[in-house]
Amino acid sequence: DTGVSQNPRHKITKRGQNVTFRCDPISEHNRLYWYRQTLGQGPEFLTYFQNEAQLEKSRLLSDRFSAERPKGSFSTLEIQRTEQGDSAMYLCASSLALSGSEAFFGQGTRLTVV
Amino acid sequence: GIQVEQSPPDLILQEGANSTLRCNFSDSVNNLQWFHQNPWGQLINLFYIPSGTKQNGRLSATTVATERYSLLYISSSQTTDSGVYFCAVERMGAQKLVFGQGTRLTINP
Repeated sequence: DTGVSQNPRHKITKRGQNVTFRCDPISEHNRLYWYRQTLGQGPEFLTYFQNEAQLEKSRLLSDRFSAERPKGSFSTLEIQRTEQGDSAMYLCASSLALSGSEAFFGQGTRLTVV
Repeated sequence: GIQVEQSPPDLILQEGANSTLRCNFSDSVNNLQWFHQNPWGQLINLFYIPSGTKQNGRLSATTVATERYSLLYISSSQTTDSGVYFCAVERMGAQKLVFGQGTRLTINP
């Protein structure tokens, strides 16, 4: 069991560029979640997948954000035309597809937009 | 949506002291988890405790679901216990965790 893995760990990009992050969940977990955490705050939910289906999106997920999980395994989160306000820690988590299942988080990707 | 309030927001203690962190939530839940966020940002699972009491070494947690609160106890604190502790809950019928604002714990030698 290798846990939830996220890449890259850090990303610095110029405003206006596109960035893509990857998350590999725990292998037997059907659900995959993306959260965003800004300085001094708790993580906030962005979206989640059950297998390959994206079942819920937060209003925080603007049109510039898109997430995919094409084969129900790894997921990608893309941010287009990055803005300074997108600077944050992006966290991925996974769990079994049972109500109330324990979630496990990856190391996160820290994005800095300059 | 469900509200999650953690207290205190900051706690500064000497090594060896005991501490109690509280998490109040506003609705029925089917999941409650306590996390420790390490200096690199990763959330480390401490307890999965939608109800009842659990212990793991110097740490223990109690959730009283009917009264909508949970407590995390840390005994004989060590400097390595420093960091931010988060409570997160999943409301019944929802499929996501909602986090509190965290308690920043500082243990001085």
